[in-house]
Amino acid sequence: QKEVEQNSGPLSVPEGAIASLNCTYSDRVSQSFFWYRQYSGKSPELIMSIYSNGDKEDGRFTAQLNKASQYVSLLIRDSQPSDSATYLCAVNYNQGGKLIFGQGTELSVKP
Amino acid sequence: GAVVSQHPSWVICKSGTSVKIECRSLDFQATTMFWYRQFPKQSLMLMATSNEGSKATYEQGVEKDKFLINHASLTLSTLTVTSAHPEDSSFYICSAIHRDGNTIYFGEGSWLTVV
Repeated sequence: QKEVEQNSGPLSVPEGAIASLNCTYSDRVSQSFFWYRQYSGKSPELIMSIYSNGDKEDGRFTAQLNKASQYVSLLIRDSQPSDSATYLCAVNYNQGGKLIFGQGTELSVKP
Repeated sequence: GAVVSQHPSWVICKSGTSVKIECRSLDFQATTMFWYRQFPKQSLMLMATSNEGSKATYEQGVEKDKFLINHASLTLSTLTVTSAHPEDSSFYICSAIHRDGNTIYFGEGSWLTVV
């Protein structure tokens, strides 16, 4: 059973702080990893994709991948109240677009 | 704008009836689409892989006779919930992989309420 695990939260951080979201996955052959943001009642929207070990930065967001530890993380710098949402980690196991999602981490950024 | 569109955005149906949800790729051909279901406060659960011109591949525990998937063209997949019951009420989301092989687009989702 391929699994993707996240802390469900809620994770609460003050405005301007760094929010750290973590994800582990079970299948070592996984190659593609994604972070999605989902607002209540809406479809997920892609924040970051990462394919290689190391860090990938895009604006206030940094994704980190460690394939040896089967670990993916997302850092959000200078968190804003508008970042409050559920963040979903997803793994593409077979490179064909079939994503397995974690349970999501609810983030709350307090003004 | 959206590159994968779902219709309807929300639907209410009576228990025992069937309801069809459409998923369209708007500016690219998608040989493969995916259908997910999401219950409140839960994550997206993959239901099935929709393959153009062939039968869908269902995930374990998903009833293929209840959730009929048809992918008759390269831009359209449909999910029909047959003999719907209140426990089928959920948020149904489709996705499609772009021809670049890497980019995955999600539809806006369809809320189904069975009363």
